[in-house]
Amino acid sequence: GAVVSQHPSWVICKSGTSVKIECRSLDFQATTMFWYRQFPKQSLMLMATSNEGSKATYEQGVEKDKFLINHASLTLSTLTVTSAHPEDSSFYICSAVTDEYSNQPQHFGDGTRLSIL
Amino acid sequence: GDSVTQMEGPVTLSEEAFLTINCTYTATGYPSLFWYVQYPGEGLQLLLKATKADDKGSNKGFEATYRKETTSFHLEKGSVQVSDSAVYFCALSDSGGGADGLTFGKGTHLIIQP
Repeated sequence: GAVVSQHPSWVICKSGTSVKIECRSLDFQATTMFWYRQFPKQSLMLMATSNEGSKATYEQGVEKDKFLINHASLTLSTLTVTSAHPEDSSFYICSAVTDEYSNQPQHFGDGTRLSIL
Repeated sequence: GDSVTQMEGPVTLSEEAFLTINCTYTATGYPSLFWYVQYPGEGLQLLLKATKADDKGSNKGFEATYRKETTSFHLEKGSVQVSDSAVYFCALSDSGGGADGLTFGKGTHLIIQP
């Protein structure tokens, strides 16, 4: 089946640094990828939608300059948390879909746990 | 905006018990509805889905019926196994699930005891 790989799975870094998270579709081409954020005991919240070769569409309340998303190829999207602070600590999950018009389900990565000290 | 409400967990059952996890939603238009499952240490996997009213999604012995009149999509299984222990997420999409991001419930942690 369709596999989405997310890297790293866990990262700890100091406040003020930038952290990049990769999301790769391993055996299919993903026209669209989504980034979600999950706080403890909360639901996954959609942060942004990225389409290959175009700018990401951010949900209301998500800072574009804080969470930089790049979808440079059909198999890779990256989320960079810039100048991270403790409040950015969370679980970040990506998903990918082969064709936004084909009614296909999203395939999820295993998530990245980000801890900012 | 869209929202999904599902029963709080954890839900603890004995093996072979009947399972129901309630899920209700609010949405504009006619959303598609999903159940995702997250086994320990793994990512989310699609369990089943339904795209229109009265559709029944089913997989691995689990079923859920899209009830437009009650805006519900309750998950059921007749006889649970220890291997069903996981976190279950109800979700909706304004499209078929591909073009739009999903709106998730908070998740229900299911624990099945032998």
